[in-house]
This record gives sequence, structure tokens and C-alpha cells, in this order.
Amino acid sequence: EDQVTQSPEALRLQEGESSSLNCSYTVSGLRGLFWYRQDPGKGPEFLFTLYSAGEEKEKERLKATLTKKESFLHITAPKPEDSATYLCAVQYSSGGSYIPTFGRGTSLIVHP
Amino acid sequence: DTGVSQDPRHKITKRGQNVTFRCDPISEHNRLYWYRQTLGQGPEFLTYFQNEAQLEKSRLLSDRFSAERPKGSFSTLEIQRTEQGDSAMYLCASARTSGATDTQYFGPGTRLTVL
Repeated sequence: EDQVTQSPEALRLQEGESSSLNCSYTVSGLRGLFWYRQDPGKGPEFLFTLYSAGEEKEKERLKATLTKKESFLHITAPKPEDSATYLCAVQYSSGGSYIPTFGRGTSLIVHP
Repeated sequence: DTGVSQDPRHKITKRGQNVTFRCDPISEHNRLYWYRQTLGQGPEFLTYFQNEAQLEKSRLLSDRFSAERPKGSFSTLEIQRTEQGDSAMYLCASARTSGATDTQYFGPGTRLTVL
């Protein structure tokens, strides 16, 4: 059973059409939840870290929120350059380990 | 540029050959991680170092894989007797210890193709 599940797997939007990506997790003892952006053939680029339920962070057209069971990445008025795969990862208490568990990502395509 | 760097960016090899990848982390970061990523999947943890000590290895990691981080600076990942199933993107990330979490910054990756 996956500990981190991202949905949808793929999302197509028109430019300016706002939407949200979901990351749900089943781990306990969450230490941090991370959002990354990954362009094809490149390494993930760090976006946000969220630590506790109720926390929100924003960067340009992106806003990340966190509850006790899931996180949302809201994209407001997206542009074609926002097209990428968005990865979610969680770090949780496991014998002192800092190893994050990643979801499979949501592939976002924004059409002009 | 003070980000994480990896070399080479691409490697094509024949089955059975050995390959070695290098990662140079952000200079003030004491933790270094190696991941493998295949198409349509998130990064899969392989191993990590705190300074020069290798603290954890994935149970899924074959004994053909070995990693080092001499002097706590750059790191190398070696794959011996490569197999076609080793074809993947190999990612390195570094982080600075900060409380209960550490935010990892990734390099551009090394794309390995095993023929």
C-alpha cells in the first residue's frame, strides 16, 4: 500500500484555468511534507516545506496547504511555463530516519 | 552556481560493465542522498550519508551498488556488472541538518542507459 498518493496522475488545463493537485498520506508522526517541481529530464526543484496542519505557503501562482491527512497544491491562473510534474514527499518519524517517501507525481500540462 | 552538481549527465554502457557517478553537494550541506527514478515514478531512496558516514541503505539495494563520500564532501555511486534493469535516472540531493526535518535540494541527475 502506497504511503503517499498523488492525484490526479495527469491534468490538462487551459491557460488561466485554476485547479488543485492532491497529495494524501497515511504515515503517522509527520515531520514535514515537501512539494517539488520536476521538468522532463531534470532533477526535482524544491518548492515548499509544510510542517503542521493548517500551514500554508505561497510562491507566485502556487499555494500549498496541509491538513492532517493531505496536502493541496493550488495553481491560480496557470501559464504554459507551469507545465511540469509536481512531486509530493513526506518525512515521518521512523527510528530517527530522515528519508522521505515520494509520491508518483502529477503531470500538469497547461495549454496556451 | 552553488547548487548540487552531478557528472556525467548521461551515460550509455553495455550490460556487465561498471559505471561510476559523481555528486558534488551544496558546500555547507552535511547530508547527501542518492535516489533512482524511473519513468512515471517518484524518486526511490538508495542510500544517504551524514558527513562521511553512510547511515542508511535501502534494503532493495543490490550488493552491486556501492557509494562513498570521502572526507564528507563529494560522493560517488558505483554500479558493478550493470544490468538492463539498472537503466534509470540517478539523482543526488543534499541537505543541511535543521531540527526534525531536512529539506533536500536535488542535482540535475545522471541518466544511465544499459544496452
